[in-house]
Amino acid sequence: KNEVEQSPQNLTAQEGEFITINCSYSVGISALHWLQQHPGGGIVSLFMLSSGKKKHGRLIATINIQEKHSSLHITASHPRDSAVYICAVSRPIQGAQKLVFGQGTRLTINP
Amino acid sequence: EAQVTQNPRYLITVTGKKLTVTCSQNMNHEYMSWYRQDPGLGLRQIYYSMNVEVTDKGDVPEGYKVSRKEKRNFPLILESPSPNQTSLYFCASSLFGWDTQYFGPGTRLTVL
Repeated sequence: KNEVEQSPQNLTAQEGEFITINCSYSVGISALHWLQQHPGGGIVSLFMLSSGKKKHGRLIATINIQEKHSSLHITASHPRDSAVYICAVSRPIQGAQKLVFGQGTRLTINP
Repeated sequence: EAQVTQNPRYLITVTGKKLTVTCSQNMNHEYMSWYRQDPGLGLRQIYYSMNVEVTDKGDVPEGYKVSRKEKRNFPLILESPSPNQTSLYFCASSLFGWDTQYFGPGTRLTVL
């Protein structure tokens, strides 16, 4: 079983819809990251969370440490939000930090 | 501008011909890492470095070497590339390892 599981793997929605992507992890973490990868490859960090909730524009990320679960929400979705969203956790291992990735969620927003 | 740069961005080579992919960051970050991304397998860590002269293996280190002689640079070396190393490679850096990750633009490598 993967240490970081995302759902759904693929999501297609209409412009304007509220989007939720979920991430569950099974290990102790220092932080959780949400990343965005557009077609063409570049990876951008959206959020780094260790507790609670963060908001940036139309994006909201939450984390529940006790339940080992995080969600990424997109309000008023737009075709430019179409991308792969990747959940990753920073794991403390032997004095170092290791980044472990989920498989990604491919989001397509149709106009 | 804070950034991570990688070169080359695209490379087609042949089996056995040594190559180096460079990675440089201008943010004075302690942590640097190399990842490869393959369809169906996602991102996997190759090597990481916590500071100058401190490097360690990630999940898929076989066939790769790294060095960290200066804080800003973390080159990835393929001594004898093979076709199974055809992949999209990303370098990343962060200040402490657990905090915000900054990724390079990626290097698409094809080994024939």
